[in-house]
Amino acid sequence: EAEVAQSPRYKITEKSQAVAFWCDPISGHATLYWYRQILGQGPELLVQFQDESVVDDSQLPKDRFSAERLKGVDSTLKIQPAELGDSAMYLCASSSPRSGNTIYFGEGSWLTVV
Amino acid sequence: AQSVAQPEDQVNVAEGNPLTVKCTYSVSGNPYLFWYVQYPNRGLQFLLKYITGDNLVKGSYGFEAEFNKSQTSFHLKKPSALVSDSALYFCAVRDLNTGGFKTIFGAGTRLFVKA
Repeated sequence: EAEVAQSPRYKITEKSQAVAFWCDPISGHATLYWYRQILGQGPELLVQFQDESVVDDSQLPKDRFSAERLKGVDSTLKIQPAELGDSAMYLCASSSPRSGNTIYFGEGSWLTVV
Repeated sequence: AQSVAQPEDQVNVAEGNPLTVKCTYSVSGNPYLFWYVQYPNRGLQFLLKYITGDNLVKGSYGFEAEFNKSQTSFHLKKPSALVSDSALYFCAVRDLNTGGFKTIFGAGTRLFVKA
């Protein structure tokens, strides 16, 4: 069964450092999402891509967060500089009309900022 | 604007008993509705969805959900709970009349199944 791949699974970084997460969606899925999930809460959409274009980044803190999907396949989410409040799980997901627009998630990347 | 509410932070049930995890939603048009399950330190796993048709939707691991348009609800159910069902459950909604792009997740309900 095809999966959304994410790396790294766990990352500890110091405050003010840069950190990056990578995601490879299910093959053929044109829509890619980055969500942030704080412990005990539901996922919050940070950015949504349709192919290589951003369709929603209204909740992305653009002063420190950036996301790209240059060739419309895999994607990178970057945080610079990291702050203590960024500690969370970062979930990548993808969807396609062919799969009924169901969103499929990766295993997530846990970020701890110290 | 669309929204989804899971009124219970936690649901406790004994193994073998039926379980219900509640979800209500608000959309301007017709909804897509989803349930996901999350185990510790894992991503969300898709359980089931409602798009159209039969109000009772069957999904993975014996779960089902009932769409009730008049009550704007989509409660998750299982006839006989297992200890292994203990996890965090999320309801999600997508409003088909707003371009269908944005899916909103509830805050989650933690299910504890006691042996």
